[in-house]
Amino acid sequence: QKEVEQDPGPLSVPEGAIVSLNCTYSNSAFQYFMWYRQYSRKGPELLMYTYSSGNKEDGRFTAQVDKSSKYISLFIRDSQPSDSATYLCAMKEFQPQGAQKLVFGQGTRLTINP
Amino acid sequence: DAGVIQSPRHEVTEMGQEVTLRCKPISGHNSLFWYRQTMMRGLELLIYFNNNVPIDDSGMPEDRFSAKMPNASFSTLKIQPSEPRDSAVYFCASSQFRGNTEAFFGQGTRLTVV
Repeated sequence: QKEVEQDPGPLSVPEGAIVSLNCTYSNSAFQYFMWYRQYSRKGPELLMYTYSSGNKEDGRFTAQVDKSSKYISLFIRDSQPSDSATYLCAMKEFQPQGAQKLVFGQGTRLTINP
Repeated sequence: DAGVIQSPRHEVTEMGQEVTLRCKPISGHNSLFWYRQTMMRGLELLIYFNNNVPIDDSGMPEDRFSAKMPNASFSTLKIQPSEPRDSAVYFCASSQFRGNTEAFFGQGTRLTVV
């Protein structure tokens, strides 16, 4: 079983729809939760970053973490064609000294249709 | 800063040949990660370095793969001999040393082994 599971999609929705992307994980030591966005033929870029359970909002994007269920979500409101990309969840353990490795989900390919 | 710089962007080689991928991390970053991305397996961590020292190479698939970081501004990933199943996009990422900071990715090297 992978440490992080993410439905690879593809997911196609009309412009303006609310999009929900999800990941589950098995490692209870994960403390930091991230969403990266990757456009075609580009490297991933950090979109949202959360620590511990709860919600975090940034414009049209909301990241949600439920540590009791080992489940994280990313919601996109009023989706735009420019949001079309692959979205990858990523997680890591707390490490007081030195960087710790990021474990990624497989990524969900999202298309927003005009 | 120009970001993480990888070279070459594309590489096509014949099976059995040696391949060397190069990475220049962001200045001031002292953690460096090598990832491999395929449709089937998503983004997998191969190896990462803190302060030029390899910390975890458990993701390196076989002895054919090796990575070095001779100084803070340069790293290589070498495959010798290459095989068709090594075909993938290889990403380098760097971050600062503290445990909860963002990892910045390069544009990737698309490797095709024929």
